[in-house]
Amino acid sequence: GENVEQHPSTLSVQEGDSAVIKCTYSDSASNYFPWYKQELGKGPQLIIDIRSNVGEKKDQRIAVTLNKTAKHFSLHITETQPEDSAVYFCAASINSGYSTLTFGKGTMLLVSP
Amino acid sequence: ETGVTQSPTHLIKTRGQQVTLRCSSQSGHNTVSWYQQALGQGPQFIFQYYREEENGRGNFPPRFSGLQFPNYSSELNVNALELDDSALYLCASSLGAGIQETQYFGPGTRLLVL
Repeated sequence: GENVEQHPSTLSVQEGDSAVIKCTYSDSASNYFPWYKQELGKGPQLIIDIRSNVGEKKDQRIAVTLNKTAKHFSLHITETQPEDSAVYFCAASINSGYSTLTFGKGTMLLVSP
Repeated sequence: ETGVTQSPTHLIKTRGQQVTLRCSSQSGHNTVSWYQQALGQGPQFIFQYYREEENGRGNFPPRFSGLQFPNYSSELNVNALELDDSALYLCASSLGAGIQETQYFGPGTRLLVL
């Protein structure tokens, strides 16, 4: 089955810096890659997603890039703010006839003022 | 907020008991997926319901079962609870069961098994 590796497990940055989180996946048939932000005590919230027919997608301070040949995708957050502090999860959608997601283990992002 | 609601928010059970968790999907969504999230881990897929039928299942034993109702709300039932079942249980709803359908998560039910 699909396996998603996520790095780093923790990331500390100063407010205003950029943050980059990287994920690799194993199933070359996967073609949908969402990113979720999870705050303490809450469920995961979709922040951006990318489909395999697109190499890059941006939404204000957040961008995601996808390299299907290398089977990796990355989340880029620019001009980080303290409220960006949370756990971020990448996921890949398995091509098994239904829309299940395989998640990475998460990255705890801490943005210091 | 996603419009996906779950109840209860917290639950404490003892080993061997049974538990039922509930999920109301976002308006217009006919697909509900359930995930188990252990502490410090990413969510793991349990199963998915599409139009009241189980549409796919992850690597979970048969004591994990579910239902979906005509209004597309869903239940997750776990029998013979084990200590390792302690986790956050998340449901996610989507417009359909296709591979690229966006899944929107509820706040979860935190289950503690003693």
